[in-house]
Amino acid sequence: AQSVTQLDSHVSVSEGTPVLLRCNYSSSYSPSLFWYVQHPNKGLQLLLKYTSAATLVKGINGFEAEFKKSETSFHLTKPSAHMSDAAEYFCVVSVMDSNYQLIWGAGTKLIIKP
Amino acid sequence: GAVVSQHPSRVICKSGTSVKIECRSLDFQATTMFWYRQFPKKSLMLMATSNEGSKATYEQGVEKDKFLINHASLTLSTLTVTSAHPEDSSFYICSARGTGGLIYEQYFGPGTRLTVT
Repeated sequence: AQSVTQLDSHVSVSEGTPVLLRCNYSSSYSPSLFWYVQHPNKGLQLLLKYTSAATLVKGINGFEAEFKKSETSFHLTKPSAHMSDAAEYFCVVSVMDSNYQLIWGAGTKLIIKP
Repeated sequence: GAVVSQHPSRVICKSGTSVKIECRSLDFQATTMFWYRQFPKKSLMLMATSNEGSKATYEQGVEKDKFLINHASLTLSTLTVTSAHPEDSSFYICSARGTGGLIYEQYFGPGTRLTVT
């Protein structure tokens, strides 16, 4: 069975410092992986996606993620946090054996300290 | 491209009444649409999957008679919350999947905030 685990429910960083949001997945097949961001009382925005091409994926707003099959991880990073990055982040996996349904992580709330 | 809209964005209704939420794919045809529910400070919960022209498939624990889903065309799906109660208050999000190409990718609407008083 497939699953997604976001290892931290909350991450707090100072503005200008690096961001690391961790995500591990479990899948019997080669997965497609996504990171979505949701700002308070807003809809979902796709940050980036991995679909079996380059393992280092660059997304919007300076975010990137690296697919590591050996570690079954897809951690999200950003070199320098901005106040506007404060939001909820979801790691999501889509797998063929579930008819491409999306399996959602529990979310990580990113807090940016001034 | 791949824009999905939802209407209304917010709705307040009285207990016992029904509310209809529309989900439209604006620039592509969506053979499959999904309806999610999001509780405060929680992740998304898939409620049902609807394929154009056929009955929706509901996830375990979701009452199909309470949450009526219609997917009558390739660009429109509706969710009707019947006899709404305060516990139905939530953020409802739809997504759509296209007819070709990126079958693994869903495009999300902006969500509808339902408050039942």
